[in-house]
Amino acid sequence: NAGVMQNPRHLVRRRGQEARLRCSPMKGHSHVYWYRQLPEEGLKFMVYLQKENIIDESGMPKERFSAEFPKEGPSILRIQQVVRGDSAAYFCASSFRPDDYEQYFGPGTRLTVT
Amino acid sequence: AQTVTQSQPEMSVQEAETVTLSCTYDTSESNYYLFWYKQPPSRQMILVIRQEAYKQQNATENRFSVNFQKAAKSFSLKISDSQLGDTAMYFCAFMHTGTASKLTFGTGTRLQVTL
Repeated sequence: NAGVMQNPRHLVRRRGQEARLRCSPMKGHSHVYWYRQLPEEGLKFMVYLQKENIIDESGMPKERFSAEFPKEGPSILRIQQVVRGDSAAYFCASSFRPDDYEQYFGPGTRLTVT
Repeated sequence: AQTVTQSQPEMSVQEAETVTLSCTYDTSESNYYLFWYKQPPSRQMILVIRQEAYKQQNATENRFSVNFQKAAKSFSLKISDSQLGDTAMYFCAFMHTGTASKLTFGTGTRLQVTL
């Protein structure tokens, strides 16, 4: 049973470009969470999605960031017009139910903005 | 809003010794979970141990155990017989039980196990 998959593992973008981060949850999981880890900090919640719905986006920056989890395919975290401050590790986690205490984490995508 | 505080940025322990990592939290909720996650240099987040707030008994997983003091809102992690493979960042985390269960993390403690 494959775990949570994220790709790419490393992504380099120049300032002003777009970054697309993908997350495939564990088989059977329909709840996805995105977290961001800035250098030398803990993970911070960004957004919680179910299939085709955004449930909680209270941690998402108001501009340039968006997320989706379509009926088919992976969840996508999209960052438009990246800036140096977006450089971070972005983790995706999935769970089977919304009240499932255990979230299974992917290996993360390290985004570097040059 | 919930907050999680880890006041020890770095700790060091010798192999085979015992070390305790501290964590305090603040919440107005009565039903919640607490977790300790390990993040080795690979950056993969690994669940070490969890504690349900309604349980008085402290959780234990092999060499890892917690001291959960609900009234004091304290949740420390004890690692016994430390091994070199325990070297990692350790994050304390909080989750309110119910729907939309996002995790709130502390800033982490970097643990170095030495020979």
